[in-house]
Amino acid sequence: QSVLTQPPSVSAAPGQKVTISCSGSSSNIGNNYVSWYQQLPGTAPKVLIYDNNKRPSGIPDRFSGSKSGTSATLGITGLQTGDEADYYCGTWDSSLSAVVFGGGTKLTVL
Amino acid sequence: EVQLLESGGGLVQPGGSLRLSCAASGFTFSSYAMSWVRQAPGKGLEWVSAISGSGGSTYYADSGKGRFTISRDKSKNTLYLQMNSLRAEDTAVYYCTKAQSQLLLPFDYWGQGTLVTVSS
Repeated sequence: QSVLTQPPSVSAAPGQKVTISCSGSSSNIGNNYVSWYQQLPGTAPKVLIYDNNKRPSGIPDRFSGSKSGTSATLGITGLQTGDEADYYCGTWDSSLSAVVFGGGTKLTVL
Repeated sequence: EVQLLESGGGLVQPGGSLRLSCAASGFTFSSYAMSWVRQAPGKGLEWVSAISGSGGSTYYADSGKGRFTISRDKSKNTLYLQMNSLRAEDTAVYYCTKAQSQLLLPFDYWGQGTLVTVSS
């Protein structure tokens, strides 16, 4: 059971928009920055969003992040088949003194 | 170019030990926190352990406390994870990650991973 809760899967058609939620508590998301990671099949994860809503260089602006209270959201617009991947949210948990991840969300672009 | 190259994975019997290494290059090693993150077959990401840039502070997930030890060698630009009393549930791909700063998160670079299999 993950400390952060994500939907197991989401799907949408090419060109459409999708959002992935990440729910936590005051000890993690509520008081710490959230980052999002994309894991394409058979590869290592890579960071998509950090500090709730910042994109590293090279990440297209189709990817966005937001945070409200104890929840965070990853948004992807203009879906492409190449976006099919597993997406994970992560943050620090001050009560556990540990990095925590969500269980991951599998994105299918139909 | 930042590179993280893990090694040391393999097949080990339950109760055995293994030491993972991560050779880092392309950045000032001691300026950044580092972590190990693992992924069991078909499962999600699980943070294992972290260490500050200086090596003076270490952090562990409950799953590894008392069994795993993280360390780093500045002279060799190498991160280590000593794993003792291994269990079947430790079977996973272990990724070496670099933090973006002295803070533990976010992980801005990941290695390709090394597979640890605990089985008799």
